[in-house]
Amino acid sequence: AQSVTQLDSQVPVFEEAPVELRCNYSSSVSVYLFWYVQYPNQGLQLLLKYLSGSTLVKGINGFEAEFNKSQTSFHLRKPSVHISDTAEYFCALSVKTSYDKVIFGPGTSLSVIP
Amino acid sequence: NAGVTQTPKFRVLKTGQSMTLLCAQDMNHEYMYWYRQDPGMGLRLIHYSVGEGTTAKGEVPDGYNVSRLKKQNFLLGLESAAPSQTSVYFCASSAFWSEETQYFGPGTRLLVL
Repeated sequence: AQSVTQLDSQVPVFEEAPVELRCNYSSSVSVYLFWYVQYPNQGLQLLLKYLSGSTLVKGINGFEAEFNKSQTSFHLRKPSVHISDTAEYFCALSVKTSYDKVIFGPGTSLSVIP
Repeated sequence: NAGVTQTPKFRVLKTGQSMTLLCAQDMNHEYMYWYRQDPGMGLRLIHYSVGEGTTAKGEVPDGYNVSRLKKQNFLLGLESAAPSQTSVYFCASSAFWSEETQYFGPGTRLLVL
């Protein structure tokens, strides 16, 4: 079975400080990995995804994530956050060979403090 | 393009009542999904469809039914609502499964009393 763990349910950070949101996954088969962001009262939108190739993936709004197969992690980072980054962030995985295996983590609430 | 739209945005039901949530997408996507979002649990897949006329169960299908009569529409039905179905419901669509980005609607907030 597959699972996604987001170790921090809430992350407060001061504006212009760096941030890392942690994601670990468990799977015995190959997966694709995603980070989605949900702004208040909105649906989710894709930040970035890892399919294959370079383990460092760059996304929108200055975010990036690094795939680490040995540590089964896919942590999200941003060197300098803005107030507008306040949102819920979800890590997700999908199984490459399956049609019904899209699993979301519980989410991390990022609060940027002015 | 409107992307993915959901109707209604908010609804209050009494236990035992029925309702249908409508999802529409204008991106010509083959795949459509219904999720529910509950605090601390992320998103859980209720049902999904891989094309017009097809539906399949996801992780938490009990108490829900779906239909995909037209490619652009995916309906989620609650035949007899229960308080446990109080949640935020999101519809999403994608060109294919697995590696493709899912595009989400704005959500429907459902309160079952």
